[in-house]
Amino acid sequence: GAVVSQHPSWVICKSGTSVKIECRSLDFQATTMFWYRQFPKQSLMLMATSNEGSKATYEQGVEKDKFLINHASLTLSTLTVTSAHPEDSSFYICSARDLGGDRTEAFFGQGTRLTVV
Amino acid sequence: SQQGEEDPQALSIQEGENATMNCSYKTSINNLQWYRQNSGRGLVHLILIRSNEREKHSGRLRVTLDTSKKSSSLLITASRAADTASYFCATEGSNDYKLSFGAGTTVTVRA
Repeated sequence: GAVVSQHPSWVICKSGTSVKIECRSLDFQATTMFWYRQFPKQSLMLMATSNEGSKATYEQGVEKDKFLINHASLTLSTLTVTSAHPEDSSFYICSARDLGGDRTEAFFGQGTRLTVV
Repeated sequence: SQQGEEDPQALSIQEGENATMNCSYKTSINNLQWYRQNSGRGLVHLILIRSNEREKHSGRLRVTLDTSKKSSSLLITASRAADTASYFCATEGSNDYKLSFGAGTTVTVRA
């Protein structure tokens, strides 16, 4: 299957700082990338959808100025958590899909464990 | 938003037994997918079943889909300790490409 690399796998940062998470599709062109957040023992909650070269579409309740998403190329999307606070601590997962052809399954990154202290 | 509900929330079985989990959803779908997640890791795609399909097999996995009842089931046969993980169903809507995830079923396979 396709490979999606997410980096870093974990990060600890101080309150008030910003953290950038990268999501790369290594062997296919990801026309669309999705960012999810997962709390312990809970399901994945979609935060936003990003299409290459255009602004991300955020789900209701997700602050776009807090969670900046950039999808500058067909292989890279980034999520920046700005002015992080302890309540932003969570597991963030990206997924990538190539929607140029037939609808295919989504491929997921390994996830990033963010801890804000 | 979360559309699917899964049951049971947790399942503990002996190695070699079968594990069955169910997923229900609310709106019309284009397809339904099952994923596995090991603790603290990303998701691994297991199987996709389209809305016009009723049953699909992949190795030890069997998935059914009943669109009239808006439900799906995942059966893992002859379970192994390595099958211990959380399993999520996800539905892709008819009108967009977003995946909505169920709450997940945590499966523990005892050796």
